[in-house]
Formats: sequence, structure tokens, C-alpha cells
Amino acid sequence: EAGVVQSPRYKIIEKKQPVAFWCNPISGHNTLYWYRQNLGQGPELLIRYENEEAVDDSQLPKDRFSAERLKGVDSTLKIQPAELGDSAVYLCASSNPHRPEQYFGPGTRLTVT
Amino acid sequence: EDKVVQSPLSLVVHEGDTVTLNCSYEVTNFRSLLWYKQEKKAPTFLFMLTSSGIEKKSGRLSSILDKKELSSILNITATQTGDSAIYLCAVEAVWGYGQNFVFGPGTRLSVLP
Repeated sequence: EAGVVQSPRYKIIEKKQPVAFWCNPISGHNTLYWYRQNLGQGPELLIRYENEEAVDDSQLPKDRFSAERLKGVDSTLKIQPAELGDSAVYLCASSNPHRPEQYFGPGTRLTVT
Repeated sequence: EDKVVQSPLSLVVHEGDTVTLNCSYEVTNFRSLLWYKQEKKAPTFLFMLTSSGIEKKSGRLSSILDKKELSSILNITATQTGDSAIYLCAVEAVWGYGQNFVFGPGTRLSVLP
């Protein structure tokens, strides 16, 4: 079974530039999560999808962050414009319905200069 | 505000030692506690605990939950260099619209040969 796929793995951009991350969850996993992980900290939830519906986006900074999950499979997370403080690892995870354990992708390390 | 605390934040041991990692939480509407191992980027699932006093075991790793004390421990016996990683504790809280996960900062374990 293929795991959660994310791309790109690394991204370096200048501040004020846009950036997008892509995630393909494990087949059959209806729930998809985007997390941000700063150095030395645990992952922080940005948004959670149940199929194509964003059911929890309370932690997503909506002035610059947006996300979508068309057709309830792949998802993209966008930042526009990026700020220096957005430098972090962005993790995507998915889970089976009714099971809390999440399967994480390798993450995208974003560096904003 | 939901909160997960882990201790110690960092630990250095030698191969063969036994270690105990701690996780405590303050969460509204607790449902489960999960342990993850993070080596490079992607956290990988270890255990899910929902009931107090029932030990989960996998090889040299074991974990138990104490809902009265709002805490959990993760034990690793006969440590190996391959156990070097960040161990994350996450707590699942249930809300009206679904669930949320709060991660602790992790314990960085270094096992020296």
C-alpha cells in the first residue's frame, strides 16, 4: 500500500512570494490533515478535511493561507504571500474513517528568506 | 486551552539502557492518546490508548495510560541506536463537529553505541 505522498520535499522562496504544497493521501482514507511543525515543536493542525469538506479550519491563518481538496482525494495548501515566520515543515496526514491513528507524509520543508 | 506536555524534552542514553518517556495532558472531551516516532520527517504511529491501566506492547516498546492522572508513559527496554528519534504524544479530543488532535513538543531520544 502506498503511503501519503507530498511534494515538493523542499522549497525555498523569498518573502511575499506564493507557494503551494500538494498531498495525495492513502487510498480509501477519507480524512486528510495539514499540519505545520516548527523546529523543536510538535505538529500543529492547520486544517482537517472529511472527504472534500473542511470540517476544522479554525487554526488556518485565512488572510494568507488557503486549502482545497477537490473530489475528496488530493489536496493543496497555498500560502500567499509568504512571510519569514512561515518557515517550517508542512505535514500532510490521512486516516481511515473512525480510526484516530494518522499516517503522515514525508513533509515539505519550507524556507522563506 | 487544550495542552499536552512531554518530559524530558531531551534524553541521551547508551545502548541497552531502559528509558521512560512521559506525557501529560489537559484536554476537554478526551477520547484517546497516541504515540508516534519521528525519525526524519514523517511521524509513524506506535500506539493508541483509550483505557486506563491496559498496557500496549510492541517488541521492546510498551505504553500505558492513566486517565486519573491524565498521563501516559512510553517505555523502551534494551534501547538500540535505531531507537534514536523524537517521540511525539498526541491527544484526541472530541468536539461537536468531529475531533481534534493536540501534539506535545516531543522527547528527543539519542541512543549512543
